[in-house]
Amino acid sequence: AQTVTQSQPEMSVQEAETVTLSCTYDTSENNYYLFWYKQPPSRQMILVIRQEAYKQQNATENRFSVNFQKAAKSFSLKISDSQLGDTAMYFCAFMKHVDDMRFGAGTRLTVKP
Amino acid sequence: NAGVTQTPKFQVLKTGQSMTLQCAQDMNHNSMYWYRQDPGMGLRLIYYSASEGTTDKGEVPNGYNVSRLNKREFSLRLESAAPSQTSVYFCASSEGAWEAFFGQGTRLTVV
Repeated sequence: AQTVTQSQPEMSVQEAETVTLSCTYDTSENNYYLFWYKQPPSRQMILVIRQEAYKQQNATENRFSVNFQKAAKSFSLKISDSQLGDTAMYFCAFMKHVDDMRFGAGTRLTVKP
Repeated sequence: NAGVTQTPKFQVLKTGQSMTLQCAQDMNHNSMYWYRQDPGMGLRLIYYSASEGTTDKGEVPNGYNVSRLNKREFSLRLESAAPSQTSVYFCASSEGAWEAFFGQGTRLTVV
């Protein structure tokens, strides 16, 4: 079974600064999908960014970008120009095929004014 | 557009009682999931359903059963609730390996 590890339980960043959240995963598969989800205090899960393993180009969505290192099985999330609204739990997720999506334990990010 | 709707939002059960958590999606997705969220452990997959009529165990299926009633609905049943099942439960749906949409969660307390 594949596992997802987020080694930073909590992080903080000053408003307007850049922060990187780490994620590693373990799999023997060659084709898979990786995601970052955000969970603000409202508890609603929101997709931040998605990466397909067969694509070498790192995904970007506005201030959010990833550093996908397939050989190292690493999938970090970089948040640029951090905003107060970025304060949330962030979860890394792995999907081997279309049926089974597994999450890491999460990183609690606090953006300080 | 309601997305994924879970009921109830809150529930308190006594040990040994049974209950069913309901989930419905209106996006015509094939895949549906049940997760539980506990502090420090993220979301753990209980069961998933790749399509109507199929269900598979996830990471933590013990103590739970599921039913994929039709394409829209996927229910989670606790036959004999235990305090260890105190958690927040999320239902989600997706189409293939695209974005998963989540319900608002059910906070369950077993006393």
